[in-house]
Amino acid sequence: GQQVMQIPQYQHVQEGEDFTTYCNSSTTLSNIQWYKQRPGGHPVFLIQLVKSGEVKKQKRLTFQFGEAKKNSSLHITATQTTDVGTYFCAGPRWVNSGYALNFGKGTSLLVTP
Amino acid sequence: GAVVSQHPSWVICKSGTSVKIECRSLDFQATTMFWYRQFPKQSLMLMATSNEGSKATYEQGVEKDKFLINHASLTLSTLTVTSAHPEDSSFYICSAWDRGLWTGELFFGEGSRLTVL
Repeated sequence: GQQVMQIPQYQHVQEGEDFTTYCNSSTTLSNIQWYKQRPGGHPVFLIQLVKSGEVKKQKRLTFQFGEAKKNSSLHITATQTTDVGTYFCAGPRWVNSGYALNFGKGTSLLVTP
Repeated sequence: GAVVSQHPSWVICKSGTSVKIECRSLDFQATTMFWYRQFPKQSLMLMATSNEGSKATYEQGVEKDKFLINHASLTLSTLTVTSAHPEDSSFYICSAWDRGLWTGELFFGEGSRLTVL
């Protein structure tokens, strides 16, 4: 079945440094989504990428979807302590009543001031 | 955006007892809801798909008799952990699509942290 892999598992940076997490799927994806989960919280939607080679920006966050639609990345420029959390990528997987999301293992980001 | 509410947020129970967790879509109707489970510092694993008015669809390896799911209305799905044991201690999160918005975003409840003593 479809597997979504994410690296690194953990990343510890100093405030102001950049951060990147990478996501790879074993199958071609129709779209890929990114979520952020703060410690003790629930996942919150960040973005959805649909087109091959798509690049989207949200302030300091840049999301890319690979040409083959099997990989994606999230890059944060000049991290801040508010960026702390776990970032998950997720790909759609068909279930009998529609589709659910298959989540990667996530990358936990720790930012120290 | 759409709001999904989950209750209770925290529950502690004795081994052998059953616990019910409720998931409600507050401002939209959800014919399908998803129940995920998350162990500490791990990913979200899909347990089952809850379908309004019909049986839930369970993922491979998830015991349907242990994790009873009921989706009696378009705004409420419940997960009952029956005869809970310490290994069932986990963070259970429900989620749903708002098909009226159809932004592709999956809306999550706040999660329910279960501790079985």
